[in-house]
Amino acid sequence: DAGVTQSPTHLIKTRGQHVTLRCSPISGHKSVSWYQQVLGQGPQFIFQYYEKEERGRGNFPDRFSARQFPNYSSELNVNALLLGDSALYLCASSLGGWGRGSYNEQFFGPGTRLTVL
Amino acid sequence: AQSVTQLDSHVSVSEGTPVLLRCNYSSSYSPSLFWYVQHPNKGLQLLLKYTSAATLVKGINGFEAEFKKSETSFHLTKPSAHMSDAAEYFCVVSRDRDDKIIFGKGTRLHILP
Repeated sequence: DAGVTQSPTHLIKTRGQHVTLRCSPISGHKSVSWYQQVLGQGPQFIFQYYEKEERGRGNFPDRFSARQFPNYSSELNVNALLLGDSALYLCASSLGGWGRGSYNEQFFGPGTRLTVL
Repeated sequence: AQSVTQLDSHVSVSEGTPVLLRCNYSSSYSPSLFWYVQHPNKGLQLLLKYTSAATLVKGINGFEAEFKKSETSFHLTKPSAHMSDAAEYFCVVSRDRDDKIIFGKGTRLHILP
């Protein structure tokens, strides 16, 4: 079975531009989460979607937005790019569904490396 | 609030010697804890997870971790390091009501020949 896929693998943009990153979850997974990993740091949570609804949002500005489609794939959009947005953007999928003790293991994609010049 | 602190940003060990990567956590209730590994230019891979069952958790590639509530620790160990273990390791805490997970800053493991 295919794992989590992300596109593109690498992207170079200039300041002020807009970017869209895409993620396809593992078949059967209904939850997608997005993370930003700046060089030398651990991933930081950006968004989580489940059944096309936003379930969680990290401490990121409104320039960051996301959505989930009926097929459970997802897009992360970043407007007005800044140099500091340069990072590896990771997508993770899980089965979804919550409850105490019912952790759903997240499976990570290889990431999209975004460079802002 | 939940958080994890990885006590070492870099650890170097010789091949064949034990590995110890340290992690302390903070959580307002019983946490779920994980270790992930990230090899260069590869995605994150789950090594092992603790979800309130046995306190000694065995993972892949010979790694294991022990949950110690009294010390709020979840250190990762391996009896004998292999060159292929060289990677970045992340300690992670999760909250039960959703899948939000919080990563530590990572420990870079170097294996010396």
